[in-house]
Amino acid sequence: NAGVTQTPKFQVLKTGQSMTLQCAQDMNHNSMYWYRQDPGMGLRLIYYSASEGTTDKGEVPNGYNVSRLNKREFSLRLESAAPSQTSVYFCAISAGANTGELFFGEGSRLTVL
Amino acid sequence: QKEVEQNSGPLSVPEGAIASLNCTYSDRGSQSFFWYRQYSGKSPELIMSIYSNGDKEDGRFTAQLNKASQYVSLLIRDSQPSDSATYLCAVNESGGGADGLTFGKGTHLIIQP
Repeated sequence: NAGVTQTPKFQVLKTGQSMTLQCAQDMNHNSMYWYRQDPGMGLRLIYYSASEGTTDKGEVPNGYNVSRLNKREFSLRLESAAPSQTSVYFCAISAGANTGELFFGEGSRLTVL
Repeated sequence: QKEVEQNSGPLSVPEGAIASLNCTYSDRGSQSFFWYRQYSGKSPELIMSIYSNGDKEDGRFTAQLNKASQYVSLLIRDSQPSDSATYLCAVNESGGGADGLTFGKGTHLIIQP
């Protein structure tokens, strides 16, 4: 997963705390995505950025905000964490020509107590 | 509501045999189809893409698509213990943009030595 770097890898928060998950890519791809993966639920899209300067909501955007800082970086912010946001978060990228061919980062495991 | 259905398994296959993984989808207009492999605790990795009816082979992997039946499958020949993983089917809707990818919940495959 050298092309997509996520930080932090693990995080424990208390309810109501805020935090930002960082994602950076070195593959010069246009499109970036944030997914969450929960047992029995599969991968669900939170937010995406089709290109630098644009962001859009996915299937489960509530409780999250994003920033596409530049072409390389796409961050996901939890303003007031809730236990329901306990999950594994994946950043993914695609060249944009075919949005189904995604390259994933290693993931960030978040626990909200 | 777009749906992608997979048998969650576990699917147990003896080493050296053919593993057959199946996926059905609800959006008749879907245009592109993908198989991702996810090892336990790791991120998904794209292993096959298929866009036209019929078979597509890549090494020990064959993807099969039947749009009339809304069915896509993945065959793994000469199964190895290293193939033990969860396999995610993903489908892109017709004319779908960056948010058009829907994932199934995955099939857990176990290759028995």
